[in-house]
Amino acid sequence: DTAVSQTPKYLVTQMGNDKSIKCEQNLGHDTMYWYKQDSKKFLKIMFSYNNKELIINETVPNRFSPKSPDKAHLNLHINSLELGDSAVYFCASSRDTSPLHFGNGTRLTVT
Amino acid sequence: AQSVTQPDIHITVSEGASLELRCNYSYGATPYLFWYVQSPGQGLQLLLKYFSGDTLVQGIKGFEAEFKRSQSSFNLRKPSVHWSDAAEYFCAVVLMDSSYKLIFGSGTRLLVRP
Repeated sequence: DTAVSQTPKYLVTQMGNDKSIKCEQNLGHDTMYWYKQDSKKFLKIMFSYNNKELIINETVPNRFSPKSPDKAHLNLHINSLELGDSAVYFCASSRDTSPLHFGNGTRLTVT
Repeated sequence: AQSVTQPDIHITVSEGASLELRCNYSYGATPYLFWYVQSPGQGLQLLLKYFSGDTLVQGIKGFEAEFKRSQSSFNLRKPSVHWSDAAEYFCAVVLMDSSYKLIFGSGTRLLVRP
């Protein structure tokens, strides 16, 4: 019973392509997040959705567009991929002030 | 600006030795405080949290952390480290402004000598 699941686990693509990462949580949480972990392991929040409404958008390029079709899903679409987008992307969810539950990450490599 | 500092990039301890990982935060009020662990190739797992009350909190896997308001610190401790504890450890705070935003420190990599 995976609580927060992301697909794919690995994603290798060329510069300029468009790709999506999917996230689903079965915890009944109402808030979902995307975090980016760079090569130095630094974790930075990108987006947060609460009940399908965007509440945090941290100066992320417009090429990144999150979409939340329902409370249990938060997908991340990336247009015109660049080398600097290579990172591990983590999805997470929470309810009220509960701690965040994280997925296992999607390692994106842009060549 | 609010921030979380983990001054040690990596720490090496011998198996069975005690461990303390440092975390300091810069925030006007008492934030919510967390420690997460990340094993290689894995996501982040919550070790423990502090919201209020008793300043010494117990977590999973034998870890504990102590909140010290006067030092703005929330150091993680374990009395006896096991080889399986080798991982990356992240301290994090939640900024209770208009949104519930989790901010991470830069992480400390723990290496365990046999």
